[in-house]
Amino acid sequence: AQSVTQPDIHITVSEGASLELRCNYSYGATPYLFWYVQSPGQGLQLLLKYFSGDTLVQGIKGFEAEFKRSQSSFNLRKPSVHWSDAAEYFCAVGNAGNMLTFGGGTRLMVKP
Amino acid sequence: SAVISQKPSRDICQRGTSLTIQCQVDSQVTMMFWYRQQPGQSLTLIATANQGSEATYESGFVIDKFPISRPNLTFSTLTVSNMSPEDSSIYLCSVANSRDYGYTFGSGTRLTVV
Repeated sequence: AQSVTQPDIHITVSEGASLELRCNYSYGATPYLFWYVQSPGQGLQLLLKYFSGDTLVQGIKGFEAEFKRSQSSFNLRKPSVHWSDAAEYFCAVGNAGNMLTFGGGTRLMVKP
Repeated sequence: SAVISQKPSRDICQRGTSLTIQCQVDSQVTMMFWYRQQPGQSLTLIATANQGSEATYESGFVIDKFPISRPNLTFSTLTVSNMSPEDSSIYLCSVANSRDYGYTFGSGTRLTVV
């Protein structure tokens, strides 16, 4: 069975600081990996996805993620956080049209 | 990517009643997925809906409580039946995009049961 673990429920960073959100997955086949962001009262927005090729993936809003097969990880990073990045972040795993399985989410708070 | 129109966007319902949520996709898709997001929680898959066959439900979800229709390749409904306050959640539909291997989500239905 596929599963996703986001070890950090809450993270607080100062504005301008770097950010890394952790994601570990369990999947029996080649995983398709996703990061979504959800602002309060808003829908899901796709930040980036990986399914093949270069293991460092660039997304929107200055985010990137690195797929490490040996560690079953797909961590999300941003070099300099903005106050508008405060939101809930979800990592998800799926494969070629099948269901997505979501992690529990990480709530990011940004200090001024 | 596909575009999904989901209705209603929100509703407040009395306990014991039922609400039907609709998702219309602008292109034909094989599978549609229905998720629930309870307050402060992540998304949990309720069921996968294929056209022409019964939906496949995940553990903890049953057809009597969450009947799903999939009359064609562009439309699906999820009904939340005999509602209780514990059903207060956001319900989302989703489709897989065959061209880019991504997923499109509806804007969600925020349900409050009183």
